[in-house]
Amino acid sequence: AQRVTQPEKLLSVFKGAPVELKCNYSYSGSPELFWYVQYSRQRLQLLLRHISRESIKGFTADLNKGETSFHLKKPFAQEEDSAMYYCALGAGNMLTFGGGTRLMVKP
Amino acid sequence: GAVVSQHPSWVICKSGTSVKIECRSLDFQATTMFWYRQFPKQSLMLMATSNEGSKATYEQGVEKDKFLINHASLTLSTLTVTSAHPEDSSFYICSARLHSGSTHEQYFGPGTRLTVT
Repeated sequence: AQRVTQPEKLLSVFKGAPVELKCNYSYSGSPELFWYVQYSRQRLQLLLRHISRESIKGFTADLNKGETSFHLKKPFAQEEDSAMYYCALGAGNMLTFGGGTRLMVKP
Repeated sequence: GAVVSQHPSWVICKSGTSVKIECRSLDFQATTMFWYRQFPKQSLMLMATSNEGSKATYEQGVEKDKFLINHASLTLSTLTVTSAHPEDSSFYICSARLHSGSTHEQYFGPGTRLTVT
């Protein structure tokens, strides 16, 4: 069975500081990985997917199959980045979510 | 594009009554929809996968007779919480998967907050 682990429930940084939200997964097959974000009082929305290798809102994430990780990074955090971030693994017919990390960017 | 709506956004009901929650894909057809449950400050837990025209697939530990799912059309899935109890109070979120594109990319509804008194 697949599993997604986000070791940090809360990450607090100052504006302008670099951010790394950690995500590790376990899955025997070839994974499809995503980062979803949920801003306050808004619905969950897709931020990144590993297959497109894109940068959205300054965030990037690289799939490291050797370390089974898909960490989310941004070099300079902004206050508007404050939100809940969920790492998710697509396998079979479903998405499996990590526990989420709340990012707080302080002014 | 790819907007998913849910109705109602919140509902309060008495113990023993049933509540129906609708999930609609507004601008695309969704052969597969998903129902999640989210407790405060916790992650989303998949309850069931809803396939148009067939029976839903429930995750382990989810009572299919309590959480009735119907996916009668390519744009509508419903979740009915039957004989609701206070422990059913939660935030219920649906999502829909595009038929084309990423095989696992899902678009989420805004959620429905259910409170059972």
